[in-house]
Amino acid sequence: DGGITQSPKYLFRKEGQNVTLSCEQNLNHDAMYWYRQDPGQGLRLIYYSQIVNDFQKGDIAEGYSVSREKKESFPLTVTSAQKNPTAFYLCASSIKGYTEAFFGQGTRLTVV
Amino acid sequence: GQNIDQPTEMTATEGAIVQINCTYQTSGFNGLFWYQQHAGEAPTFLSYNVLDGLEEKGRFSSFLSRSKGYSYLLLKELQMKDSASYLCAVRDGYNQGGKLIFGQGTELSVKP
Repeated sequence: DGGITQSPKYLFRKEGQNVTLSCEQNLNHDAMYWYRQDPGQGLRLIYYSQIVNDFQKGDIAEGYSVSREKKESFPLTVTSAQKNPTAFYLCASSIKGYTEAFFGQGTRLTVV
Repeated sequence: GQNIDQPTEMTATEGAIVQINCTYQTSGFNGLFWYQQHAGEAPTFLSYNVLDGLEEKGRFSSFLSRSKGYSYLLLKELQMKDSASYLCAVRDGYNQGGKLIFGQGTELSVKP
């Protein structure tokens, strides 16, 4: 079955550690996105990529990094520079930059 | 700049009709999307408008006025399972691309 897979579903890390969240899609979509959602809030864009080997910062990119070496994969690294990393992280993809986006099931990151 | 506004919460009665409004200000426009999100889950796509007018899909309809920067989602024959957060999103860009920006979401409670 085609879809977007985020792993793991729950992730715990100690403060000061970098952590990488996985996002893989087998939908042959060109565009991929990373969002952060805090309790009772909407989705805020961290990074997005419309083509392999290219990506752009969203509204809250500070403390995060990404890579897009393969069309299928768009991993997000939460670095120790991110002040409040505890949140629900959602990855999405779309066929092109103008079509609807489909979401993975999300990774809930807790930093203690 | 960019701004997407929608009411924080709404309450409606089972079997009734509810309209959720969304206003937006973005530098570019490449389509407006509505998503439904149940607590703790990923958003799921509901509707897409790129031209002015009404798009109907079963119990759900969405309207767009680009000149007014305004959209609404209309839910008919409300069911208890429609209790969820409804997210308005705008693709801010040109030439079939651009980042997908979300509003803060409207929490809809359906009462018996």
